[in-house]
Amino acid sequence: RKEVEQDPGPFNVPEGATVAFNCTYSNSASQSFFWYRQDCRKEPKLLMSVYSSGNEDGRFTAQLNRASQYISLLIRDSKLSDSATYLCVVNIAYGQNFVFGPGTRLSVLP
Amino acid sequence: SQTIHQWPATLVQPVGSPLSLECTVEGTSNPNLYWYRQAAGRGLQLLFYSVGIGQISSEVPQNLSASRPQDRQFILSSKKLLLSDSGFYLCATQRGGEKLFFGSGTQLSVL
Repeated sequence: RKEVEQDPGPFNVPEGATVAFNCTYSNSASQSFFWYRQDCRKEPKLLMSVYSSGNEDGRFTAQLNRASQYISLLIRDSKLSDSATYLCVVNIAYGQNFVFGPGTRLSVLP
Repeated sequence: SQTIHQWPATLVQPVGSPLSLECTVEGTSNPNLYWYRQAAGRGLQLLFYSVGIGQISSEVPQNLSASRPQDRQFILSSKKLLLSDSGFYLCATQRGGEKLFFGSGTQLSVL
């Protein structure tokens, strides 16, 4: 089983749609969690950290379920500029060991 | 704030040639530094990380090596490149205690 798994995608959605990405991780000792966004041929950029109580940043909402070892990202009112690959990242022990999921590609269509 | 400089942006090298990619960090001291590789259509694979000068941990056996001659300098090298070394190489540093931040990457094509 892979350490971090994500929806295979791609997701093709119209502008204004709501889209949800799922991620599961295998190591119950995982300490911190993140969503990154990666545009084609560019470096990944931090989108948001994921906290146990769930957190929201504008149109983006992240949820964490430690019992199920599950992370989600919800994007509301999708924009064309949201088109990218979304990476789920798990930190096994604070520092050093960041494990990336394979990513889920999103295309927002006009 | 921290800045990561990574160069070159693109590189085309023949099989069997040497490689040297450099990454430097500004605006911080004693950072954790990382080299990742992303093959076409694949996820990020951790190659090396370093917690200090001269301290290198290797995650995947390969014909690549890394060195950290200075606190804010991290170098990825190879004596002889293989076709399978092609990919997008990313240097990263940790910031804010947890978060990982990346340089702009080097797209390496081995022909």
